[in-house]
Amino acid sequence: EAGVTQFPSHSVIEKGQTVTLRCDPISGHDNLYWYRRVMGKEIKFLLHFVKESKQDESGMPNNRFLAERTGGTYSTLKVQPAELEDSGVYFCASSETGGSPLHFGNGTRLTVT
Amino acid sequence: TQLLEQSPQFLSIQEGENLTVYCNSSSVFSSLQWYRQEPGEGPVLLVTVVTGGEVKKLKRLTFQFGDARKDSSLHITAAQPGDTGLYLCAGARTGNNRKLIWGLGTSLAVNP
Repeated sequence: EAGVTQFPSHSVIEKGQTVTLRCDPISGHDNLYWYRRVMGKEIKFLLHFVKESKQDESGMPNNRFLAERTGGTYSTLKVQPAELEDSGVYFCASSETGGSPLHFGNGTRLTVT
Repeated sequence: TQLLEQSPQFLSIQEGENLTVYCNSSSVFSSLQWYRQEPGEGPVLLVTVVTGGEVKKLKRLTFQFGDARKDSSLHITAAQPGDTGLYLCAGARTGNNRKLIWGLGTSLAVNP
């Protein structure tokens, strides 16, 4: 089966621009998560979808970040406008149920200059 | 403040040596997971420990959850170059097992 796929793998944008990251979970996985790792820091939880509904978005840094999962399939994470501190690796993960193992994508490395 | 302290941060050893990686916290977790991550890839789950004092083995890897469920260790016996990678621990709090708390990771290099 295909794993979790993320696009793009790398993105370099200027401060103030907009970037949209995409995540395609494993087919049939209702649960989708976004995590972020800023250089030198630990991985941190951003939010959790169950199908198309946001189950927990307590980790979203601020209102410049918008996550969607229309139709309960793929998800997008938009950063607008991007700031320097948004640089990092954004990971998406999916799981079949709330208690089953997480499967991570390879991440999107975002660099804001 | 780091909620999950991993040590050591870096480790370089020779093939055949044994090693232990530690994951410590002052907080209690309902479960603790260990992941391995390779460059350019996402973390891959190795094991989940749930019960205080639990020991799980995965070939040459032995995972232990502390009795108080605040700490965990990963022991590798007779390390091989294929074990090279970043080892991450992540704890789940009671009632929210998806908002994982992560350690910084231990970067392991096993030299032939």
